[in-house]
Amino acid sequence: GNSVTQMEGPVTLSEEAFLTINCTYTATGYPSLFWYVQYPGEGLQLLLKATKADDKGSNKGFEATYRKETTSFHLEKGSVQVSDSAVYFCALIWSNYQLIWGAGTKLIIKP
Amino acid sequence: NAGVTQTPKFRVLKTGQSMTLLCAQDMNHEYMYWYRQDPGMGLRLIHYSVGEGTTAKGEVPDGYNVSRLKKQNFLLGLESAAPSQTSVYFCASSYGAGAIFYNEQFFGPGTRLTVL
Repeated sequence: GNSVTQMEGPVTLSEEAFLTINCTYTATGYPSLFWYVQYPGEGLQLLLKATKADDKGSNKGFEATYRKETTSFHLEKGSVQVSDSAVYFCALIWSNYQLIWGAGTKLIIKP
Repeated sequence: NAGVTQTPKFRVLKTGQSMTLLCAQDMNHEYMYWYRQDPGMGLRLIHYSVGEGTTAKGEVPDGYNVSRLKKQNFLLGLESAAPSQTSVYFCASSYGAGAIFYNEQFFGPGTRLTVL
């Protein structure tokens, strides 16, 4: 069946460090891929998405590229800020509008 | 435009009590979802609805019931609460038609439920 695997957290970085959060997926066909972010005490919100192979999603300085050959959708940011501290979820959608979620990765940025 | 709202924000129940969580959306979305979020487990789908008057089971439906009598509302009921239902509950909605990859889900702020 379809599944999403994320790197375990928490990930702790200093401000201005480079961020990578790994996400790999298992799916039949060609799913669309998403990164959602959950700030403390809030619901989830869409960060970026990619709908086909080699697409790059980007938003707020974050990027992720849909790699079909490695079934990956790693999240990256060149210089993180304290305000990026949150939980990040990788997800895929294949059919019937249901999202398949990763377990989430908590990111802590220290000043 | 309030988006997705949930009531209540917090609730404490005793084992065996019942309650209903209300989700409302003002975006005219067809699809609505109820998730629970537990530490280290991400989001798990409880029930979902593809339109007014229809509901379907998700990954973890046992102990919950839902109703979608109006398009804008999706209710989640706990008939006899158990400590295992202590969790944060999120409601979401999406457009639900057309290309699936454009169907971003919009989330409410969550309800924190504790069952003693």
